[in-house]
Amino acid sequence: DARVTQTPRHKVTEMGQEVTMRCQPILGHNTVFWYRQTMMQGLELLAYFRNRAPLDDSGMPKDRFSAEMPDATLATLKIQPSEPRDSAVYFCASGLDWSHRFFGPGTRLTVL
Amino acid sequence: KQEVTQIPAALSVPEGENLVLNCSFTDSAIYNLQWFRQDPGKGLTSLLLIQSSQREQTSGRLNASLDKSSGRSTLYIAASQPGDSATYLCAVISEGYSTLTFGKGTMLLVSP
Repeated sequence: DARVTQTPRHKVTEMGQEVTMRCQPILGHNTVFWYRQTMMQGLELLAYFRNRAPLDDSGMPKDRFSAEMPDATLATLKIQPSEPRDSAVYFCASGLDWSHRFFGPGTRLTVL
Repeated sequence: KQEVTQIPAALSVPEGENLVLNCSFTDSAIYNLQWFRQDPGKGLTSLLLIQSSQREQTSGRLNASLDKSSGRSTLYIAASQPGDSATYLCAVISEGYSTLTFGKGTMLLVSP
C-alpha cells in the first residue's frame, strides 16, 4: 500500500531555531508539493517540484523557508529561523502529472 | 487567479439523511477536480477525482458531479453515517498549472 510518509509527525521548538521537515513521496510519482494548513488560511501551497526541479515556490517566505529534493525519494522543507507565526500543519503530497494527489499525514509544528 | 468556495462551511445532519456539499470555482479552465476528506488531526484522503471531460464519478455512497462551464461541483453522500463526520475539501487543478487550489472545506457532523 504505497503512501507518502512525513517526519517528524510533531515538532515543538523555540523561536529562532531551525526546523527541518522530511517527506518521502510515493515511488514513481514525478510531482511533489508542500502545503501549509492553518485555521485562518486553510491549505496554502508553499512549493512544488516536478522531476525534482523546483517549479513554483512563490507561496514560500524566501527569507526563512527553503525546499529541496536531494533525490527522488526525499523532499525537505526547512525553516531558519522559525517564528511563532510558522506554527501550522505542513503537508507533503505527491502525484503523477495531473492525476490524483496523495497527501502525507502532516507535520504539526509549534513554535514557542 | 483561481478561487474555490465551499458552501456550507459546516453542516449537521442526523444519521441516514442524504446530503449535498457544494463547491464553486471562478475559472472554468481546469484539468480536473478532486474531493478530499480530512479527519481531525489527520491528513487528506482522496475520495474522488473528476476529469474536466467527465460529468460525474461514483464511489460507494459518494457521487461527485462536475459542471465545468458553470464552475460548480457537488458531492452527494447517500444514507449518511456517523463515520462520515469529517471535513470535506474540494480542490481544482487549473489549466497550465499542476498545483491544487483548495476551498476552505465543509465540516460535516452526522449524529446517531
